[in-house]
Amino acid sequence: NAGVMQNPRHLVRRRGQEARLRCSPMKGHSHVYWYRQLPEEGLKFMVYLQKENIIDESGMPKERFSAEFPKEGPSILRIQQVVRGDSAAYFCASSPERTGSFNSNQPQHFGDGTRLSIL
Amino acid sequence: AQSVSQHNHHVILSEAASLELGCNYSYGGTVNLFWYVQYPGQHLQLLLKYFSGDPLVKGIKGFEAEFIKSKFSFNLRKPSVQWSDTAEYFCAVGSFSGGGADGLTFGKGTHLIIQP
Repeated sequence: NAGVMQNPRHLVRRRGQEARLRCSPMKGHSHVYWYRQLPEEGLKFMVYLQKENIIDESGMPKERFSAEFPKEGPSILRIQQVVRGDSAAYFCASSPERTGSFNSNQPQHFGDGTRLSIL
Repeated sequence: AQSVSQHNHHVILSEAASLELGCNYSYGGTVNLFWYVQYPGQHLQLLLKYFSGDPLVKGIKGFEAEFIKSKFSFNLRKPSVQWSDTAEYFCAVGSFSGGGADGLTFGKGTHLIIQP
């Protein structure tokens, strides 16, 4: 009964390096959502993906950030040339269907998050 | 753009006290409403949700919430809290617009501390 799995739990990078965060959705879920939580803030939506497609990236910074959800394997959130301001907790959620549709009554299920620290 | 406001950032109560956490949102259309809880060191867990129907929804662990559309509110309540309720509580809103608005909008959270 595995839930949403994120790894690593903690990631330390130096400024200018790349960070890769992984998310394996719950079994049977093909919809993935990434959120970022800054200290003392609520979660902010970044991007929503279905298998092989980015559906909504309205919350994603325009530069250095990218996300993918390949046909096989986990979803990846990639941050290039990290800066101190990227330090945050990054959460992934999954659902079995698109939660933003009128017919949906499914919630999003969250992983434990990855805490990214930039030195 | 929609927003979610949680009025209390920190709440300290004694065991057996009653709890009410406020949540207001700004969005004029159809919404889904959620309360999530995050226990120390753990992931967010769904406490309860409202999609439609009875505006008084019951969740896990004795929590309930009431959707008052006219007030744009979805306050969380529990008649008698326990020490194990110490956690961070997040109110979240999902809205519909055109092709779907899939990202939830979260409040900043309320840190609840229950003293024995």
